[in-house]
Amino acid sequence: KQEVTQIPAALSVPEGENLVLNCSFTDSAIYNLQWFRQDPGKGLTSLLLIQSSQREQTSGRLNASLDKSSGRSTLYIAASQPGDSATYLCAVSLSGGYQKVTFGIGTKLQVIP
Amino acid sequence: DAGVTQSPTHLIKTRGQQVTLRCSPKSGHDTVSWYQQALGQGPQFIFQYYEEEERQRGNFPDRFSGHQFPNYSSELNVNALLLGDSALYLCASSPGLGQGLSLHFGNGTRLTVT
Repeated sequence: KQEVTQIPAALSVPEGENLVLNCSFTDSAIYNLQWFRQDPGKGLTSLLLIQSSQREQTSGRLNASLDKSSGRSTLYIAASQPGDSATYLCAVSLSGGYQKVTFGIGTKLQVIP
Repeated sequence: DAGVTQSPTHLIKTRGQQVTLRCSPKSGHDTVSWYQQALGQGPQFIFQYYEEEERQRGNFPDRFSGHQFPNYSSELNVNALLLGDSALYLCASSPGLGQGLSLHFGNGTRLTVT
């Protein structure tokens, strides 16, 4: 059974800092990994999708890396802003079946002005 | 371009009752998945629909059932509600069943069971 762990559970940083969120998964036979952002009481917004054959993806101030063999992914946020405050969720899709996705619990990020 | 829309946004039900939640996928998407997100937890996969059939199911009891219509919209039904069914129910859509596809989520339905 795939398990996804995200560390830290919560993070508070001053505005402008660069930060790294971590995600680990137990079954390396993944098809892809996706990072999402969730604002309180809202749905999920897709940030980055990394296919299993890729090492990283970048979008603006966000960069996500994937090391499938070690079961790890990181989300790097450059020059953090108060608007980045949200919960960040990591989700993996296993190979060999339909799109059954397993999520982590998320990292709650607060960026202090 | 309308994204994934869910209705209602909030719902309060009593234990033992039945509830129906609705989802319209993003334009151009034909696959719908449902997730349950308890407070402080990550979303848990309930099931996925494609071509009006349930294709994949997570570890949820038969009290949870669904349907997909010819226009790709979907319903999630929960019978004999329990207090533990209180959660945010999220619908996600994608264009087909391919595993390399990105999921697009709606804003969810907040269900409270009293």
